Amino acid sequence: QQQVKQSPQSLIVQKGGISIINCAYENTAFDYFPWYQQFPGKGPALLIAIRPDVSEKKEGRFTISFNKSAKQFSLHIMDSQPGDSATYFCAASKGGNKLVFGAGTILRVKS
Amino acid sequence: GAGVSQSPSNKVTEKGKDVELRCDPISGHTALYWYRQRLGQGLEFLIYFQGNSAPDKSGLPSDRFSAERTGESVSTLTIQRTQQEDSAVYLCASRPGLAGAWNEQFFGPGTRLTVL
Repeated sequence: QQQVKQSPQSLIVQKGGISIINCAYENTAFDYFPWYQQFPGKGPALLIAIRPDVSEKKEGRFTISFNKSAKQFSLHIMDSQPGDSATYFCAASKGGNKLVFGAGTILRVKS
Repeated sequence: GAGVSQSPSNKVTEKGKDVELRCDPISGHTALYWYRQRLGQGLEFLIYFQGNSAPDKSGLPSDRFSAERTGESVSTLTIQRTQQEDSAVYLCASRPGLAGAWNEQFFGPGTRLTVL
């Protein structure tokens, strides 16, 4: 009930391409779905977040798509850049409280 | 400083020793969380403090783990009789406001604990 499953484990994308990372959750009480970006040796930093009352949220090159009926959400990174190379984590929580994280996706953008 | 700070940044200890990890949250943030990140894995929730309320300890893996927070300031995570499986990065996060406010959690850089 508390799991968040994330895929793929790793992803290689050419510069300028689209990076897509998917997550699925089980607990229908979750109402806050953030994506975090983590660089080596650093703590995770919030990238973008969505609530289940909308199906899509876009901020710059980053878009979250949310499918409430399927209990799935995904991160799309448009025009991927080498500087986007990092580990990405999806997460979910109830009321913005303790976060349940996916296992992470290591993204490498080749220049 | 403007962000969450943690100390030490690295800690190497011998199996069976006790360790204490420190977190300084962002000033004014009432909520504080501890997470554990094992190598190549996602973060696992450990414990949550909100103001003067009783902490949510539901994520602590065993009674060897404990944490304290004085008011809305510094928190310490203590691991007693460390085991090799305790090796991980321990991350602290703070958040303004009360639960339900959907405020961002701001993470510190973590403490990398290695138990030999």
